[in-house]
Amino acid sequence: DTGVSQDPRHKITKRGQNVTFRCDPISEHNRLYWYRQTLGQGPEFLTYFQNEAQLEKSRLLSDRFSAERPKGSFSTLEIQRTEQGDSAMYLCASQTSGPPSTQYFGPGTRLLVL
Amino acid sequence: QKEVEQDPGPLSVPEGAIVSLNCTYSNSAFQYFMWYRQYSRKGPELLMYTYSSGNKEDGRFTAQVDKSSKYISLFIRDSQPSDSATYLCAMSGNTGGFKTIFGAGTRLFVKA
Repeated sequence: DTGVSQDPRHKITKRGQNVTFRCDPISEHNRLYWYRQTLGQGPEFLTYFQNEAQLEKSRLLSDRFSAERPKGSFSTLEIQRTEQGDSAMYLCASQTSGPPSTQYFGPGTRLLVL
Repeated sequence: QKEVEQDPGPLSVPEGAIVSLNCTYSNSAFQYFMWYRQYSRKGPELLMYTYSSGNKEDGRFTAQVDKSSKYISLFIRDSQPSDSATYLCAMSGNTGGFKTIFGAGTRLFVKA
């Protein structure tokens, strides 16, 4: 399967715990995006990487959130001191560079904070 | 006011009907307009992608963009039960950043 993969698919955690999610983009895609999606809403942009450089972060991304893409391939999204309001689907998408083209989404990680 | 407005529905139609889905937007800098389909518990998948104004057709799907009215549409002809999903409009462009802005999505049910 050469699509975007995300791990884990589901995560249940207690408030205050830290969680980390992983995204493996399509191998030749150098652009990578993280989004958050809550029930009944469209995906909300969180952050964007071109290769290993994090070029844009949403104001939604509080200082409890951090994302990395150390070698320009896979990416991780960490949430520290989780809150119940962090419960959502976290989506990763990848895209080729050049003229805007299709963003391919992964299946998402569904987070539930108790 | 949200940058992209989309009626969440739900929209219920009989099989074979023509479906019209719409979004309005406020940022005139948007240049790229997309429609994604999202099945329950899955990530969005791209259906149609249009640059600037005009129409684009792909099989049973037609996307229209009217930049003067800041209005985009997706038409589905001969709708099928398998078209039942949430349809998300999305936009990007020279907004000073790289992000894509999504609408809230319209839930569509096509009844057999």
